[in-house]
Amino acid sequence: AQKITQTQPGMFVQEKEAVTLDCTYDTSDQSYGLFWYKQPSSGEMIFLIYQGSYDEQNATEGRYSLNFQKARKSANLVISASQLGDSAMYFCATRPEDTGTASKLTFGTGTRLQVTL
Amino acid sequence: DAGITQSPRHKVTETGTPVTLRCHQTENHRYMYWYRQDPGHGLRLIHYSYGVKDTDKGEVSDGYSVSRSKTEDFLLTLESATSSQTSVYFCAISRDRPTYEQYFGPGTRLTVT
Repeated sequence: AQKITQTQPGMFVQEKEAVTLDCTYDTSDQSYGLFWYKQPSSGEMIFLIYQGSYDEQNATEGRYSLNFQKARKSANLVISASQLGDSAMYFCATRPEDTGTASKLTFGTGTRLQVTL
Repeated sequence: DAGITQSPRHKVTETGTPVTLRCHQTENHRYMYWYRQDPGHGLRLIHYSYGVKDTDKGEVSDGYSVSRSKTEDFLLTLESATSSQTSVYFCAISRDRPTYEQYFGPGTRLTVT
């Protein structure tokens, strides 16, 4: 079984500053994937970034980067140069990385980020 | 945009009535999923499908059934709706290697009174 823990229910950050959203995971799988999703107030779920457990480099996608520390079982999302449009709920998720099987995601409870002027 | 639509987008129904939610995709993806989202729980997997007529249970499948008679359509049925099934329901598809990331439909807000 897999578990995701997001300990920050809410975060504030000033515009143009960087912010780190915490995510720790628990899995018995040798190989797994880690994901971050954004959910704005409009409700849709938006895929942001992916990290494979065997990837040696931290994933980056534009202003998003994933600070992956395998030994600590953490997969924190870093958003650089925050924008007002970054205000949203952010979900961390994981799945086993067996090829050929369904990508069943386990989600955390989310962190609500508010970007202020 | 992964070409996923859900219908209806909003529904209010009474306890004990059957309800069917539809998910439609246009990109011929093999895997499809149904999740529910509730405050304090994030998203939880209800059922998923790995092909036409091939489905399996997720974490919170009690009270739900699914069917997939065509690649593009994945139906979620609440046989006899209960107030505990008031939730937002998301359909998703997953892409292929290497990341298998999922893309979600816009969601259906279901209220059971």
